[in-house]
Amino acid sequence: GENVEQHPSTLSVQEGDSAVIKCTYSDSASNYFPWYKQELGKGPQLIIDIRSNVGEKKDQRIAVTLNKTAKHFSLHITETQPEDSAVYFCAASKTTSYDKVIFGPGTSLSVIP
Amino acid sequence: ETGVTQSPTHLIKTRGQQVTLRCSSQSGHNTVSWYQQALGQGPQFIFQYYREEENGRGNFPPRFSGLQFPNYSSELNVNALELDDSALYLCASSPFNTGELFFGEGSRLTVL
Repeated sequence: GENVEQHPSTLSVQEGDSAVIKCTYSDSASNYFPWYKQELGKGPQLIIDIRSNVGEKKDQRIAVTLNKTAKHFSLHITETQPEDSAVYFCAASKTTSYDKVIFGPGTSLSVIP
Repeated sequence: ETGVTQSPTHLIKTRGQQVTLRCSSQSGHNTVSWYQQALGQGPQFIFQYYREEENGRGNFPPRFSGLQFPNYSSELNVNALELDDSALYLCASSPFNTGELFFGEGSRLTVL
């Protein structure tokens, strides 16, 4: 069945360093790959997304890359700040019929001041 | 622009009871999806509603049901509650068929 794997499950970095989270997906028909940030006690918030016709996308300190052949995609956060500490989820969907978005298990990122 | 709002924020039920959770979608969004998030896990898709019809369903039993109203708000109903139903229930609205989900803060359900 459809599956999204995510690594690492926990990540601790020093403030100012970079953080990288990697995901793989199983359904080759997936064409939309969003990333969500979830702070304690809140719902997930969309932070960046990428569609299958693009290999890379950047928004200030956040960038995502997609390798459709290998079914891999990654989130890169540069110059990390304490407010980046949260749980990050990668996800995949195929927006052909309905928006069933499959989420990874999450990465808990801690940025140490 | 009003975001997605959910109610109640927290509730406690006992096994066998029934629960109704409510969601108001973001302005301009005609699609509502419901997700279950167990502690320490990613959200799991329950179902989606579009134009008041169920438009897709995940691997959840029929005791999980829903409604969407003409104003695009939605309800999630769970019958015959089980202990494993304890979770954060998230509602997300989106423009149709974009995959771009905008989540509410969730309803934390505890089943004793």
